[in-house]
Amino acid sequence: AQSVTQLDSHVSVSEGTPVLLRCNYSSSYSPSLFWYVQHPNKGLQLLLKYTSAATLVKGINGFEAEFKKSETSFHLTKPSAHMSDAAEYFCVVSAVQGAQKLVFGQGTRLTINP
Amino acid sequence: GAVVSQHPSWVICKSGTSVKIECRSLDFQATTMFWYRQFPKQSLMLMATSNEGSKATYEQGVEKDKFLINHASLTLSTLTVTSAHPEDSSFYICSARGRGNDEQFFGPGTRLTVL
Repeated sequence: AQSVTQLDSHVSVSEGTPVLLRCNYSSSYSPSLFWYVQHPNKGLQLLLKYTSAATLVKGINGFEAEFKKSETSFHLTKPSAHMSDAAEYFCVVSAVQGAQKLVFGQGTRLTINP
Repeated sequence: GAVVSQHPSWVICKSGTSVKIECRSLDFQATTMFWYRQFPKQSLMLMATSNEGSKATYEQGVEKDKFLINHASLTLSTLTVTSAHPEDSSFYICSARGRGNDEQFFGPGTRLTVL
């Protein structure tokens, strides 16, 4: 079965400093991996996705993630945090090859300090 | 981007009553819709997948007679929680995917509180 583990339930950084949200995955085949962001009272928004093309994936709002097969990781990074980045972030893997059944990680709450 | 709406955004009901939640794709035709449940400070759990015009496929452990899903048109899916109990209180989120598109677009969610 496919699964994802988000290694931190809460990350707190200062505005203007780098952000690192960690995610490890388990999959019996080459996975599709996603990062979603959830702001209060808003629908989940796709930040970026990896689907076996380039291992470094660039997303919206300055976020990027690197797929590392040897480490089974898909960490999300951003060089400089902004106050508007405060939200819940989910690492997601597709559960069935070629399908769109998604398995969500537990989520990481990102807090930005002024 | 594609927009998915949910109605209502929150609902409070008495134990034993039924509640219907609507999920609409506003600017695209959703051939597949998904229903998720999210407990406080927890992740999203897929409840069921529905394709337009056919019966929903439920995940293991989800009672199909309790959570009735209808996907009667390409822009609307409904989730009815029948005979709701306090343990059904949760945040219910839908997503939709169009034909030829592998991305799911998520609604803002519906918070259900059963007293």
